[in-house]
Amino acid sequence: DTAVSQTPKYLVTQMGNDKSIKCEQNLGHDTMYWYKQDSKKFLKIMFSYNNKELIINETVPNRFSPKSPDKAHLNLHINSLELGDSAVYFCASSQVAGEHEQYFGPGTRLTVT
Amino acid sequence: GENVEQHPSTLSVQEGDSAVIKCTYSDSASNYFPWYKQELGKGPQLIIDIRSNVGEKKDQRIAVTLNKTAKHFSLHITETQPEDSAVYFCAATGGSYIPTFGRGTSLIVHP
Repeated sequence: DTAVSQTPKYLVTQMGNDKSIKCEQNLGHDTMYWYKQDSKKFLKIMFSYNNKELIINETVPNRFSPKSPDKAHLNLHINSLELGDSAVYFCASSQVAGEHEQYFGPGTRLTVT
Repeated sequence: GENVEQHPSTLSVQEGDSAVIKCTYSDSASNYFPWYKQELGKGPQLIIDIRSNVGEKKDQRIAVTLNKTAKHFSLHITETQPEDSAVYFCAATGGSYIPTFGRGTSLIVHP
């Protein structure tokens, strides 16, 4: 019974390509997030959606575009991949936005060559 | 915006010792302070949290203390075991609804 799932787990691609990462939660939560974790383990929030609506959009290049078809899914599409995009991307969800526990997915390790 | 400082970045202890990780935050509007444990190859998982109306909370070998006046909070792990080895993150969430994470502490427990 996976609470927050992501696909794929590993993604290796070349610079300039476009790729997508999918996320699904079966917890009935209203809010979902995307985080980027760099090689030094720093967790940086990228986006947050509440009931399919974007509520947080941190300073992220326009090449990153989140899409939420329904409140159980939040996908991340990345255009024109760059070397610096290599990182582990985590999807997370919480009951509502703000002062609530976040449930993280297993992560997607993206390597851009 | 919120700024969370976490120390130390690495902590090495012997099995059975106690471990303490400290965090400070800057935004007095922050009211929710979770701690997450991230094991190798996995996503972070909540281990304990505390809200601003409470000074201390305990769950078996894990405890968290909060000093709102000084804007700092700490994680205490007693009787450490090798399976406690992981990266631990503190976070602070307030009026902006954006959780701000510390930079993480790599805890190594030697058998």
